[in-house]
Amino acid sequence: SQQGEEDPQALSIQEGENATMNCSYKTSINNLQWYRQNSGRGLVHLILIRSNEREKHSGRLRVTLDTSKKSSSLLITASRAADTASYFCATRSGGSNYKLTFGKGTLLTVNP
Amino acid sequence: EADIYQTPRYLVIGTGKKITLECSQTMGHDKMYWYQQDPGMELHLIHYSYGVNSTEKGDLSSESTVSRIRTEHFPLTLESARPSHTSQYLCASSDMHEQFFGPGTRLTVL
Repeated sequence: SQQGEEDPQALSIQEGENATMNCSYKTSINNLQWYRQNSGRGLVHLILIRSNEREKHSGRLRVTLDTSKKSSSLLITASRAADTASYFCATRSGGSNYKLTFGKGTLLTVNP
Repeated sequence: EADIYQTPRYLVIGTGKKITLECSQTMGHDKMYWYQQDPGMELHLIHYSYGVNSTEKGDLSSESTVSRIRTEHFPLTLESARPSHTSQYLCASSDMHEQFFGPGTRLTVL
């Protein structure tokens, strides 16, 4: 069954604006990760946040995690045209299970 | 340079053909995965391996099979391809948490 659900499904903004994407999940997790996928390519890992963390930063990325609401958000500040891609959240349930469950993704378009 | 490779990148074949999608990684990772992804959709795990001679089916049922005879190599085979197998196939590997993905193979079965 679907673990992660991103919201919105698609987002179109102008260069320089901030982009916020949300992810909800259903079961308890060990960590939550965000990945980026350029059209027709493989995914690239962006950032990982553990279940005992509430916020994490990496460059222009800011991720928050609310385990009580089973949700996470990814904020990209000062967006660039090169940020245009699909963004997926993925959850790992923990233990000896290293599998990730991916959401449907948010398609971000940054217009120059 | 440590990386993960997939060949071919694109494959168009006729129904009934046997195909093997290759995946190799030079990072020494024990864990490897195969995902199937339709355009604009989420990734579905179809096979994974946590080490040599260890393979498991993923969350999405697939008619494909995999093998893991060497740490660096994780090929996927379809014995008799059908149009319903048309999709993008992504291979990944990991050490602990973060997964590293290959560029994918886009398969079209006519």
